[in-house]
Amino acid sequence: RKEVEQDPGPFNVPEGATVAFNCTYSNSASQSFFWYRQDCRKEPKLLMSVYSSGNEDGRFTAQLNRASQYISLLIRDSKLSDSATYLCVVNLMGDYKLSFGAGTTVTVRA
Amino acid sequence: SAVISQKPSRDICQRGTSLTIQCQVDSQVTMMFWYRQQPGQSLTLIATANQGSEATYESGFVIDKFPISRPNLTFSTLTVSNMSPEDSSIYLCSVGGSRDPGPGDEQYFGPGTRLTVT
Repeated sequence: RKEVEQDPGPFNVPEGATVAFNCTYSNSASQSFFWYRQDCRKEPKLLMSVYSSGNEDGRFTAQLNRASQYISLLIRDSKLSDSATYLCVVNLMGDYKLSFGAGTTVTVRA
Repeated sequence: SAVISQKPSRDICQRGTSLTIQCQVDSQVTMMFWYRQQPGQSLTLIATANQGSEATYESGFVIDKFPISRPNLTFSTLTVSNMSPEDSSIYLCSVGGSRDPGPGDEQYFGPGTRLTVT
């Protein structure tokens, strides 16, 4: 079983729509969770950390469900510029290593 | 977050040769990380590089194949040795969110080096 699993998508949504997707992780001892965004042929960039209480940053909302071992990302009022691959990232062992999911591709169309 | 640069940005190399990738950070950091992103796949940690000590390699990666230098707190190199087409990948360095990050802190990535081995 992979350490971090994501639905690869693609999620094709119209501008203004809401899109949400999940990521599951295998190790219940995982301590830190992040969503990164990666544009084509670019490096990953931190979108947001995911806290136990959930957190929101503008149009983006992240949730953590420790009991079911998944995190989610919801994008409201999608913009064309939101088109990217979203990487779920988990710190599995409480050390410095980050484990990446394979990414969920989102395409927002006009 | 720190500004990270990498050289070269891309290269095409012949099998059997070696390539050294440089990573420069605009501030001092205790830890630097090297990742690989193979075509169509996500990132995999190769090793963690601390200044003044040997790099720590992840399972599946060895020093003979990926020697790493960390001469000071702002610079590191990764060498891909005796390359084969399977080494074609993007290689990225990263640093933590502070000079001395804690376990589980976020990381910030350099722009990557796109390597093609023919």
